[in-house]
Amino acid sequence: NAGVTQTPKFRVLKTGQSMTLLCAQDMNHEYMYWYRQDPGMGLRLIHYSVGEGTTAKGEVPDGYNVSRLKKQNFLLGLESAAPSQTSVYFCASSYSGHGNGYTFGSGTRLTVV
Amino acid sequence: TQLLEQSPQFLSIQEGENLTVYCNSSSVFSSLQWYRQEPGEGPVLLVTVVTGGEVKKLKRLTFQFGDARKDSSLHITAAQPGDTGLYLCAGRLSNSGYALNFGKGTSLLVTP
Repeated sequence: NAGVTQTPKFRVLKTGQSMTLLCAQDMNHEYMYWYRQDPGMGLRLIHYSVGEGTTAKGEVPDGYNVSRLKKQNFLLGLESAAPSQTSVYFCASSYSGHGNGYTFGSGTRLTVV
Repeated sequence: TQLLEQSPQFLSIQEGENLTVYCNSSSVFSSLQWYRQEPGEGPVLLVTVVTGGEVKKLKRLTFQFGDARKDSSLHITAAQPGDTGLYLCAGRLSNSGYALNFGKGTSLLVTP
């Protein structure tokens, strides 16, 4: 089925460790996004991309890096994980940035201890 | 600063009741969307509204975009247990941007 696939689904990291979250979409969407969802805070934008090879900062970019080397993939990296990065991470994609709805992945639940 | 304020935050009702969820802002949006999220899953798009005053219906769900494009409402008629979930409104500001701003959501529980 077409959609957005996130890997892994669950991960536990120790403080200071690094990891990469992978997002892949097969809908030929130009735009891709990374959000984090925390209780009482809603969905907050970390980084986004408007096309292959481009990335931009969102509302809460500190401590994260991203890359969009291929149109279908959007990677989110944590270089040195902190407990404050414990969250559920969602990747989404859209055909364009204007009026089109997002297709979300099912999320990655990350715990940093 | 939260651009979109949703109310109520929590809602617990019995099957068959009607309810309305509100999404308010002081900003003008070029479009506004509603999503439903179930536990352990990502949000799923329900509807997009783009014109001030627009009303869209999706079975028992009625969505309205305010005339000034600053607010929206979601009305559910005769709620069913399958309507249980987190309802999120999201808007794209008129003067910028590619990304959606999300409200914190309304958590709805419909009991049989």
